[in-house]
Amino acid sequence: ETGVTQTPRHLVMGMTNKKSLKCEQHLGHNAMYWYKQSAKKPLELMFVYNFKEQTENNSVPSRFSPECPNSSHLFLHLHTLQPEDSALYLCASSQDTASASYEQYFGPGTRLTVT
Amino acid sequence: AQSVAQPEDQVNVAEGNPLTVKCTYSVSGNPYLFWYVQYPNRGLQFLLKYITGDNLVKGSYGFEAEFNKSQTSFHLKKPSALVSDSALYFCAVRDIAGIYNFNKFYFGSGTKLNVKP
Repeated sequence: ETGVTQTPRHLVMGMTNKKSLKCEQHLGHNAMYWYKQSAKKPLELMFVYNFKEQTENNSVPSRFSPECPNSSHLFLHLHTLQPEDSALYLCASSQDTASASYEQYFGPGTRLTVT
Repeated sequence: AQSVAQPEDQVNVAEGNPLTVKCTYSVSGNPYLFWYVQYPNRGLQFLLKYITGDNLVKGSYGFEAEFNKSQTSFHLKKPSALVSDSALYFCAVRDIAGIYNFNKFYFGSGTKLNVKP
């Protein structure tokens, strides 16, 4: 999966820690997304960036802070998380958000465990 | 509001038999529908999409999906299942939030496909 990469693949953090998830896409896309995937639940869209501008914040708690320095990189900064935040965090990209026909390409995800 | 439903948590099928993974949708306008597959410890991979045109859409790995407007369904099908098809399958609909704003995908909760030898 060289199209969209995510690091780290696994992360264990305490509730008082600060950590960051990184996503990089090598597809020349202009839109990037963060999703949360919990067991037996639909994927939850968290944030959307289009041409580096945040276009969607799906009522995500402020302990999650996204950053998009350019169209190829997306970060999710984590601070004072709760155990219920443990999940698989997926990054995705698409050409942009101007057409409904563009599919998304996903990274392998970061498995986050909050202790 | 846009939504999709996958009524089956799990589908079991024998190798070589046809498979169907069900999806129904609810949209306020024209539907833009997608299927993705997720293998263990991997991200979602795009399989196919319906935007307009022919109701039968062909995608990767021999999968196809049939768009049925009257039944608001978009079931995923394959004529002959392989053990390697065992994975988690997600149906998704694109939200038409505005004329030039297609930010959101709404995903179903996923269906686990088990193909037994």
